[in-house]
Amino acid sequence: GQQVMQIPQYQHVQEGEDFTTYCNSSTTLSNIQWYKQRPGGHPVFLIQLVKSGEVKKQKRLTFQFGEAKKNSSLHITATQTTDVGTYFCAPEGLIQGAQKLVFGQGTRLTINP
Amino acid sequence: GAGVSQSPRYKVAKRGQDVALRCDPISGHVSLFWYQQALGQGPEFLTYFQNEAQLDKSGLPSDRFFAERPEGSVSTLKIQRTQQEDSAVYLCASSQYRGRQPQHFGDGTRLSIL
Repeated sequence: GQQVMQIPQYQHVQEGEDFTTYCNSSTTLSNIQWYKQRPGGHPVFLIQLVKSGEVKKQKRLTFQFGEAKKNSSLHITATQTTDVGTYFCAPEGLIQGAQKLVFGQGTRLTINP
Repeated sequence: GAGVSQSPRYKVAKRGQDVALRCDPISGHVSLFWYQQALGQGPEFLTYFQNEAQLDKSGLPSDRFFAERPEGSVSTLKIQRTQQEDSAVYLCASSQYRGRQPQHFGDGTRLSIL
């Protein structure tokens, strides 16, 4: 089963509103990746966070890695209809050295234009 | 092609039949992963190859599932004696090296077992 908790599971916003999804783990993570999956599509890599307290920005998207490396967040400013999709956090292998990604349940974002 | 290619895109099989799903990763990518994605869920890890070596198959649900990558490029996921609970999207991903690499996903094979 999944070992990361992602909240909320669903989020519906008006276009132009902000959106945040959170990813929480009970164990320390070595790194975390974020992916976006459009309806009917496949996951697409967005970003990787490695360092404690790291913050990375991609245009309207801001990604954070917690100081304790147990949580992460993705914040979208002023959502657009193109942001629709499911956002997954994916820590790399909760076992040291493991290669696999452990995907969260995802946060499904829908937007009212 | 520049991306990960999977075939077929859709597969319908009767319960009890065997199926084979193909993944053609990005050329030169060392790592190859198979995931199973149920409706409304995140992808769940099945197995991992580094070149031709299957280094992790801990996610395979049963011994009916078998994967191979004999020459370190194309991979096949085989499911024997399919059951209805095998219905899902099967995603293949590849990455250039091992560890801490973005994974590039194919479009997946949607498997429906009747």
